[in-house]
Amino acid sequence: AQSVAQPEDQVNVAEGNPLTVKCTYSVSGNPYLFWYVQYPNRGLQFLLKYITGDNLVKGSYGFEAEFNKSQTSFHLKKPSALVSDSALYFCAVRDRAGGFKTIFGAGTRLFVKA
Amino acid sequence: DAGVIQSPRHEVTEMGQEVTLRCKPISGHDYLFWYRQTMMRGLELLIYFNNNVPIDDSGMPEDRFSAKMPNASFSTLKIQPSEPRDSAVYFCASSPGTSGALTDTQYFGPGTRLTVL
Repeated sequence: AQSVAQPEDQVNVAEGNPLTVKCTYSVSGNPYLFWYVQYPNRGLQFLLKYITGDNLVKGSYGFEAEFNKSQTSFHLKKPSALVSDSALYFCAVRDRAGGFKTIFGAGTRLFVKA
Repeated sequence: DAGVIQSPRHEVTEMGQEVTLRCKPISGHDYLFWYRQTMMRGLELLIYFNNNVPIDDSGMPEDRFSAKMPNASFSTLKIQPSEPRDSAVYFCASSPGTSGALTDTQYFGPGTRLTVL
């Protein structure tokens, strides 16, 4: 069965510092991996995705994520956090053999302090 | 592009009443998804459609829930009768359905916050 774990409910970081939001996954086959962000009272917005190829994926707003197959992880990173990055972040996985069923993690709330 | 449109944005109803949530996907998108978000269970896929046809409804919690897509620009999620445990935010999302459809990103609407008293 597919599953996604986001081990941290909240991540606190100072503005200008690097940030990491962790995600690990479990699928029976090869995964497609996604990161979405949710601002208050809004729907989820796509940030980036891993399909194949280069393990380092670059996405919107300066975010990037590194796919690590051996550790089954897909951590979200940004070199320098902004206060405006404060939001709820979701990791999601789709098994290539499982159709469109996408499993979302529980979400990690990122708080960037000025 | 207006994005995915959902209505109403907020719905408060009493237990036992019928509730209908509406969604207009992005024009030209072939896939439409209904999700439910709660604190306890996170974001759950309820059902998705491809070209107006339901493909996977295994996430629909009970027979009280039903979804339809009568045409490419409109879908409904109906709960009848509603119960307090149905209180949640319901999201509709659509995706293009290009040749690499499984890699498509999903575009989410703003959600409908449902409260069942």
